[in-house]
Amino acid sequence: EAQVTQNPRYLITVTGKKLTVTCSQNMNHEYMSWYRQDPGLGLRQIYYSMNVEVTDKGDVPEGYKVSRKEKRNFPLILESPSPNQTSLYFCASSLSGGWETQYFGPGTRLLVL
Amino acid sequence: KQEVTQIPAALSVPEGENLVLNCSFTDSAIYNLQWFRQDPGKGLTSLLLIQSSQREQTSGRLNASLDKSSGRSTLYIAASQPGDSATYLCALLLYGQNFVFGPGTRLSVLP
Repeated sequence: EAQVTQNPRYLITVTGKKLTVTCSQNMNHEYMSWYRQDPGLGLRQIYYSMNVEVTDKGDVPEGYKVSRKEKRNFPLILESPSPNQTSLYFCASSLSGGWETQYFGPGTRLLVL
Repeated sequence: KQEVTQIPAALSVPEGENLVLNCSFTDSAIYNLQWFRQDPGKGLTSLLLIQSSQREQTSGRLNASLDKSSGRSTLYIAASQPGDSATYLCALLLYGQNFVFGPGTRLSVLP
């Protein structure tokens, strides 16, 4: 089944403890992206990647890192999480660029205490 | 900076009604516009994608239009059903390959 998977789905952590949220797609897509969704602020793009080893900042990249070493994986790294990074995170992918239909993962709900 | 608004913020209609959801944006320099639906606790599902050179797209009971010059897109849902209840979001792809989403319209279709 063609899909975007994220792990973990739920995570509770404490301020300053490094964490990684994994994202993987099995559709051989070039474009991948991370978003966060907050009440009243909607979905905002964190980072995106047009291809392996090519990443670029979205609207809210501060406090996040990404890497794209393989086409199928696009992990989101929080080096030193803070409470304001408590949010619902989505990973998405599309075939060759943002101009095509995006497929979203199920989301990761993160709580930083 | 691109600003996206969606009106109404919430809508409740009886089953069978035709309805229109609106998406407005401030900058016409967009690559394309997509409409998504989001079910509670789940990810987003793409409904329709309109390239900047197109005026509309149709899929089943859904029709989306795009007027770049006026900064508006509408999503028309015909003969609404309870299964259409969800939050509907519009998303603009900018020329830098980054996306800007609207805040969404929460739709409830009553049996």
